[in-house]
Amino acid sequence: NAGVTQTPKFQVLKTGQSMTLQCAQDMNHEYMSWYRQDPGMGLRLIHYSVGAGITDQGEVPNGYNVSRSTTEDFPLRLLSAAPSQTSVYFCASKNRAYEQYFGPGTRLTVT
Amino acid sequence: DAKTTQPNSMESNEEEPVHLPCNHSTISGTDYIHWYRQLPSQGPEYVIHGLTSNVNNRMASLAIAEDRKSSTLILHRATLRDAAVYYCILRDAGGGADGLTFGKGTHLIIQP
Repeated sequence: NAGVTQTPKFQVLKTGQSMTLQCAQDMNHEYMSWYRQDPGMGLRLIHYSVGAGITDQGEVPNGYNVSRSTTEDFPLRLLSAAPSQTSVYFCASKNRAYEQYFGPGTRLTVT
Repeated sequence: DAKTTQPNSMESNEEEPVHLPCNHSTISGTDYIHWYRQLPSQGPEYVIHGLTSNVNNRMASLAIAEDRKSSTLILHRATLRDAAVYYCILRDAGGGADGLTFGKGTHLIIQP
């Protein structure tokens, strides 16, 4: 099992550009989520999904869109990048048990 | 989710036990206590969780106070690879799909 994979590892965007962060898991987990982590802070939940076709907002959803067309994939779209979205983004998945599995992260810089 | 309080940082020596405290005085009867850790430049990883009884696994032990208002994560013999930020998180017994609430955690420094 590869676990949770994220691409790209690093990305630099200009203000106003859009892009999609990719996340995939091969553990057949129902639940997937996206977090962001700003320097020196804990992770904050952006969006989450309880299964294909079902998504919901977390603590900091503004400026981000998600969709879940398959169990395996949960992409995060930045609609119009802003410097405030400079952060490290983590994708996670879990089954009905309690343990969440996190990806390695995408480091995004918006200039 | 109920709030947890952890020290900002702790320092320990290699090959010695480490006790990482967590206070959660507003814990409800159905809240599980979870610990995750985040190694430098990596995503968080699950360490252990428990409800009332002490728990052991290959990574650590979790000691839970009788009144459940505090808990302690115990690393029995710290190595340099245990240097990380450790997060204590409460989650309702329902598990929930809406993610974990991370505080700032405890930055554990291991001295060789």
